[in-house]
Amino acid sequence: DGGITQSPKYLFRKEGQNVTLSCEQNLNHDAMYWYRQDPGQGLRLIYYSQIVNDFQKGDIAEGYSVSREKKESFPLTVTSAQKNPTAFYLCASADTNTGELFFGEGSRLTVL
Amino acid sequence: AQSVTQLGSHVSVSEGALVLLRCNYSSSVPPYLFWYVQYPNQGLQLLLKYTSAATLVKGINGFEAEFKKSETSFHLTKPSAHMSDAAEYFCAVTRRDDKIIFGKGTRLHILP
Repeated sequence: DGGITQSPKYLFRKEGQNVTLSCEQNLNHDAMYWYRQDPGQGLRLIYYSQIVNDFQKGDIAEGYSVSREKKESFPLTVTSAQKNPTAFYLCASADTNTGELFFGEGSRLTVL
Repeated sequence: AQSVTQLGSHVSVSEGALVLLRCNYSSSVPPYLFWYVQYPNQGLQLLLKYTSAATLVKGINGFEAEFKKSETSFHLTKPSAHMSDAAEYFCAVTRRDDKIIFGKGTRLHILP
C-alpha cells in the first residue's frame, strides 16, 4: 500500500532532550512537509522540502531541524531549544501536479 | 498571497439535518481547493478537491462542494448528517507548484 508512515505514534520525553520523529513515504513524491497541530490553532508549517537535499523553513521553524538525504525520508528533530514542544505532529507529501497533500497518521509528543 | 477563511470554529447540527461548512479563499490566480477531514488522533484525509474541472465536486461519504468564483467560496455540504461525520474539517487552497494554505478548521458536532 502506498502512503506515509510516521513513527512513533506516541512519544514521551523529558525536558531538555532532543527527539526525532520519523516520516517515510513510498508515493514517489518530491515534496514533503511537517506540520504542528495544537488545539484550536489549525495546522502550522514547520519545515518543507521540495526536493532531496533541500529544505526551507516554514512559519514556526525555531527549535526544530530536518534533513532530506533520501526522497523517501524526511525526519524532524525537536530540539531542546523548542520552548513548548508538546503537540501533535503531522508529516505529509505532495502531488505537485494537483497540490494534493497525503498525510501520515501523526505523532503525539508529550514533554514531561 | 493566498489565504483561507473558515467561518465558525464549531458547528453543531442534528442527525439527519443539512451540513454546511463555509470556506472563503483569496488567490490571485485560479486556485486548487481542497476539503480534508480529521478524526481524533489521526492524520488528515482528503474529502474532495477542485482542480478547475467541474465546479460542483463530489467527495467521499456523501459530501460535496461548489466552487463559486464570483463569491470566492468553496462551501462543503452534505444533505443529511450522520453521527460518524463528527470530526474536524479543513479547507485548503494552493496553486500549482506552491505551498498549500490551510484554514483554521471547523469542528463539526452531530446532535442526536
